[in-house]
Amino acid sequence: AQSVTQPDIHITVSEGASLELRCNYSYGATPYLFWYVQSPGQGLQLLLKYFSGDTLVQGIKGFEAEFKRSQSSFNLRKPSVHWSDAAEYFCAVGALNSGAGSYQLTFGKGTKLSVIP
Amino acid sequence: NAGVTQTPKFRVLKTGQSMTLLCAQDMNHEYMYWYRQDPGMGLRLIHYSVGEGTTAKGEVPDGYNVSRLKKQNFLLGLESAAPSQTSVYFCASSYKGNQPQHFGDGTRLSIL
Repeated sequence: AQSVTQPDIHITVSEGASLELRCNYSYGATPYLFWYVQSPGQGLQLLLKYFSGDTLVQGIKGFEAEFKRSQSSFNLRKPSVHWSDAAEYFCAVGALNSGAGSYQLTFGKGTKLSVIP
Repeated sequence: NAGVTQTPKFRVLKTGQSMTLLCAQDMNHEYMYWYRQDPGMGLRLIHYSVGEGTTAKGEVPDGYNVSRLKKQNFLLGLESAAPSQTSVYFCASSYKGNQPQHFGDGTRLSIL
C-alpha cells in the first residue's frame, strides 16, 4: 500500500523568505502526486499535480514542486512567501488500489505554515 | 458554479443519535468520496463511490454507511453516533479516480 510522509509538522518563515515543504512517498510504481492547501475553516484546494513528463511542475499562487524518483520525493517550493500563504499544506499520492480496482488518494498528515510579518 | 456543497456545516449530536450528511456536486463527476479529518491525522477515507449506485469501503468505514442514489449526491450516515466520530467531515469528487479531487468546505460534527 502507498504511504506519504510529511516530516515537518509546523514550519515558521518570515514574509519574503523562500519556502520548501518536504514530502516523501512510498509506492511501487510511478504515482500521481498532488499538493493541496487548506486555510482555516475551509476545504482543500489543489495547488498542483504531477502525472508524468516534466518533473518540475508549476501550480497556482506561485508554488512549484519537483518530482524526484530516486528520492521518492515531491517537495513544494515558493521563492518568496506572502502572509496569505499561512495555511496547512497536504501532500497526497494517488495510486491504484488493485483490490478495489480503483485509484485512491493517500494524504500525508500535513505541514502547518506560519508566516512572520 | 457551486462545485461541491456539503450540508450541514455544523452539527452537535448526542451519543446514540443518528444523522445524515449530504454532499452535492454539480461538475458531473463520476467519483465521490467521504473523508474525516482529525488533528495530526491528515485525511482518512471513509467510503467512496465510483459511480451512481455504487459504494465501497475506505480506510475507516466502521460506524458509517453511504448511499449514491443519484450521480450528483453522496450521503454519509451515522446510525448510532459515538464520541469517537467527533471530527470534521469532507466530501470530494473527481471526474475519474486518478484525477484531482475537488473538496467541499466540510461539516464540523461534535458528538457529546
